[in-house]
Amino acid sequence: DAGVTQSPTHLIKTRGQQVTLRCSPKSGHDTVSWYQQALGQGPQFIFQYYEEEERQRGNFPDRFSGHQFPNYSSELNVNALLLGDSALYLCASRRNGLAGEDNEQFFGPGTRLTVL
Amino acid sequence: KQEVTQIPAALSVPEGENLVLNCSFTDSAIYNLQWFRQDPGKGLTSLLLIQSSQREQTSGRLNASLDKSSGRSTLYIAASQPGDSATYLCAVRRSSGGGADGLTFGKGTHLIIQP
Repeated sequence: DAGVTQSPTHLIKTRGQQVTLRCSPKSGHDTVSWYQQALGQGPQFIFQYYEEEERQRGNFPDRFSGHQFPNYSSELNVNALLLGDSALYLCASRRNGLAGEDNEQFFGPGTRLTVL
Repeated sequence: KQEVTQIPAALSVPEGENLVLNCSFTDSAIYNLQWFRQDPGKGLTSLLLIQSSQREQTSGRLNASLDKSSGRSTLYIAASQPGDSATYLCAVRRSSGGGADGLTFGKGTHLIIQP
């Protein structure tokens, strides 16, 4: 059973460009969240998708947008890249539920984005 | 706004010691608390999840406790090994009726176990 997968593993962009990151959730999971982790910091919540809709959003500008597909996979798009967007972008998945193991979040290996 | 603090920020101990990592959170209205491990440049590996109604969880040499009323959790690592060297992150999920809540993380404790 494959866990959460992300692509690409590394990416280098220049300021002002746009980038798309991809995530496939763990089998059986339907809820996908994205996090940004700057060097030496804990991950910061960007947004969460469930049933192809953005269900919750953290404190990130509109330059950050996303999408969830019918197969539960997800994309994170960042427009007008800034130097400060350089970070490890993590995708997490879980099964939507109210109790027990359904709540455990599983994380992918991340995509390292460098903005020059 | 929920804030999560982890103490110490870094810890270096000789192999074989038992150790305790601390996590505190400002809003006690949490749904659950999760401890993760992160190796350099890698993603997060879930270690233990404690529901808000639980007091502790154990997995092998790891034991995590939760005192929701005081806003504290500890991760106890018994008989530490060099392979335990990593950054340990604590994260809380806010209470919600339907499930739409991202995790709030601390900055982590960077642990080094000396052979």
